[in-house]
Amino acid sequence: DQQVKQNSPSLSVQEGRISILNCDYTNSMFDYFLWYKKYPAEGPTFLISISSIKDKNEDGRFTVFLNKSAKHLSLHIVPSQPGDSAVYFCAASPAGNSKLTFGKGITLSVRP
Amino acid sequence: DSGVTQTPKHLITATGQRVTLRCSPRSGDLSVYWYQQSLDQGLQFLIQYYNGEERAKGNILERFSAQQFPDLHSELNLSSLELGDSALYFCASSVEAGGLATDTQYFGPGTRLTVL
Repeated sequence: DQQVKQNSPSLSVQEGRISILNCDYTNSMFDYFLWYKKYPAEGPTFLISISSIKDKNEDGRFTVFLNKSAKHLSLHIVPSQPGDSAVYFCAASPAGNSKLTFGKGITLSVRP
Repeated sequence: DSGVTQTPKHLITATGQRVTLRCSPRSGDLSVYWYQQSLDQGLQFLIQYYNGEERAKGNILERFSAQQFPDLHSELNLSSLELGDSALYFCASSVEAGGLATDTQYFGPGTRLTVL
């Protein structure tokens, strides 16, 4: 039973355009959501997070949106840069619990 | 560089063998987490230690065990290895016990285990 789903395995975007990465979850106990970025041969790197009390969090070019009623979150990257090409993982945890449940990841390719 | 170190980077062994993976957390971090990433899976949480004590358990097989030492480094022991244990094993660390959901986990570069 996959509680965090990233249904699109890959996304290709032109440099300068917006990248939208989607994530759905099924567990209503999830309270905190994170995005990690991973380059080959490296560990995942924390990118941005959002608590369930918010519906948007922004950090520079990265914005995460949370729609609790739809159990859906998305990561927007604007403008996309070639260096953003990586695998992006969505993760979630229940309140007061550090156990992260990850999606399978989505490979983003930003074309110059 | 996250500040989390893992050794070895690569490990090749045979079925039935036992291996030990090592992790040193970031300076000041008390919690250590272990994750497994197989080819067709996302990262699967295995186990968490906080200041030497087991804090949370995930999908960890009975053939696997872990511990955290007084200097806060951690080891993940995998025994009676099977072909399906071939995977990337990541260690992560964070400052607190995880009582606060906002506690960010920082990941090491991983150990790639190949079981032949």
